[in-house]
Amino acid sequence: AQSVTQLDSQVPVFEEAPVELRCNYSSSVSVYLFWYVQYPNQGLQLLLKYLSGSTLVKGINGFEAEFNKSQTSFHLRKPSVHISDTAEYFCAVSESNYGGSQGNLIFGKGTKLSVKP
Amino acid sequence: KAGVTQTPRYLIKTRGQQVTLSCSPISGHRSVSWYQQTPGQGLQFLFEYFSETQRNKGNFPGRFSGRQFSNSRSEMNVSTLELGDSALYLCASSLVLVGGYTFGSGTRLTVV
Repeated sequence: AQSVTQLDSQVPVFEEAPVELRCNYSSSVSVYLFWYVQYPNQGLQLLLKYLSGSTLVKGINGFEAEFNKSQTSFHLRKPSVHISDTAEYFCAVSESNYGGSQGNLIFGKGTKLSVKP
Repeated sequence: KAGVTQTPRYLIKTRGQQVTLSCSPISGHRSVSWYQQTPGQGLQFLFEYFSETQRNKGNFPGRFSGRQFSNSRSEMNVSTLELGDSALYLCASSLVLVGGYTFGSGTRLTVV
């Protein structure tokens, strides 16, 4: 069975500092990988996705992530954070051969990023 | 273009009642998925529909059901509500089966 582990439940960081949110997954088959962000009282917004191809994926708002198959990781990074990046971030995985669908997303428990001035 | 619209935004129901939540996907999107979000269990997959057919179902009791209409709009129904069904229910749509889902703002269900 698939699973996703987000290693840090909370990450405090100062404005303009770099940040890395860690995500490891477990799966016996090939996967698609996603990062979503959730602001208070809102739904989830897709930051970036890895479906195939280049292992370095660039997303919105200056975020990027690197797929490392050998370490089964998909860490999210941003070189300089802003106060507006304060939110909860979710890593998600789905099987790539599940009937061609990625609707069955398995989410991690989330990492709350708190950016301080 | 309009995003994924979920109605209502907030709902309070009594134990034992049933509830229907509605989701209008982005125009042209044919795939709709539903998720339950709670503080304890996090985000859990409920169903996935594509062209009116349920493709996948999560590990939820039979009290949870859903459907998709020919215009891709989707509804989910929960019968015999329990206190533990209190959650944020999120709907998401996608143009194709693979590519990344766009989520709505959710329906906050409180069961008292």
